[in-house]
Formats: sequence, structure tokens, C-alpha cells
Amino acid sequence: QKEVEQNSGPLSVPEGAIASLNCTYSDRGSQSFFWYRQYSGKSPELIMSIYSNGDKEDGRFTAQLNKASQYVSLLIRDSQPSDSATYLCAPSPSGNTPLVFGKGTRLSVIA
Amino acid sequence: GAGVSQSPRYKVAKRGQDVALRCDPISGHVSLFWYQQALGQGPEFLTYFQNEAQLDKSGLPSDRFFAERPEGSVSTLKIQRTQQEDSAVYLCASSLADPGVGLEYFGPGTRLTVT
Repeated sequence: QKEVEQNSGPLSVPEGAIASLNCTYSDRGSQSFFWYRQYSGKSPELIMSIYSNGDKEDGRFTAQLNKASQYVSLLIRDSQPSDSATYLCAPSPSGNTPLVFGKGTRLSVIA
Repeated sequence: GAGVSQSPRYKVAKRGQDVALRCDPISGHVSLFWYQQALGQGPEFLTYFQNEAQLDKSGLPSDRFFAERPEGSVSTLKIQRTQQEDSAVYLCASSLADPGVGLEYFGPGTRLTVT
């Protein structure tokens, strides 16, 4: 069973702070990793992808990957109330199989 | 169309009824995925098509669930004899690429409530 673990939260951070969202996965063969943002009542929206160990920055978002530890994280700098949503981690399993999503972490940014 | 569309957006079914959920993918997208998302959970994979071929149906929870994509475009997910545990949002996504690539194009989902 390919598992993806995320802290369900809620994670509450004050406006302007850094939000740190974590994810661990069981499939060592996973090569690609995706972060989705899902607002309440809406569909998931792809916001970041990362394929190599290390950091990848895109605006206020930074994805971090450590394949040896089977760990991927998402940092959101200068958090805004509009960042309040559920963030889903989705590693791409080995064997060209569809994405497996974590349960998501609910982030609340307090103004 | 501009994106993936799904219909109906909301469906209320009495337990035991059959339902059919439709997905219109982005034109030209060969891959189509169905996911089930229960309240407070992440999307759970149901099934995947490449054109009209159903390549993976390992996520379908029971034989009451059936999906088809006969002409390689529109797909229908059918649930027979609905049960309360089938209540969820059913998401469809389409892609030009293989399933290992991040899915960018999700439909708005169909919220199914079984009473």
C-alpha cells in the first residue's frame, strides 16, 4: 500500500509568518512530487512540483524534497489570509501509476 | 470548452438508486482520471483511462462502481445501488500526459449525497 502522511491540522499562523507544511511518503520509487491547494468546496489546484532533492522556489512558495528521508515539505512565506486552504501532497508513485494524495493539511492564516 | 466540466454538480440519491456522473475532459486530452473525495479526506483514486481504454480500475471500491469512456472523450462513472458511504465529491481530471505527471486540470466535481 502506497501511503502519504500529512498532519491534518488545522495549522494556524499569523499573517506575514512562514507556514510550514510537511509530508512523508512510503513509496521509495516515487520520483515526482506535487503540492495542491484546495479551497473549501473547490477542486484541487496544482501549485508546485519538485523532482530533485533540495529546494525549489516559486514566488512565496518553496518546496523541499529529501528522497532519502522520504519527506517533502512546502513553505509559504509572508502568509496571507487568502492562503487559508487545505494543502494536499501528492507523490507520483513508481510504475507510471496515478497520483496518490495525502489527506491534506488545513492551513488557517489569521489576519 | 475551456476546462474539464462535470455534470451534474450536485446529486441527491436515495439509497439503492443508480446514478450516472458525467465528465467532459479538455479536448485532445488522452488521459482521464476519476477520484473520490470524502469530506475531510484527500482525493482517492478510482480509475484511469487512456483514450477509450480503461488501464487501471484498481481504486473502484466495489463492483457497484463502473466507468466507461467509449469514444475516448466523455466519460461516465456509474454507481449502482448507492449506499450512504458513497456520499462524496467525485472529481474528474484530464491530462495530455501519462499518469505520473502532476494533474493540472480538475473538473469542479459532482457532490453526491445518498440519503
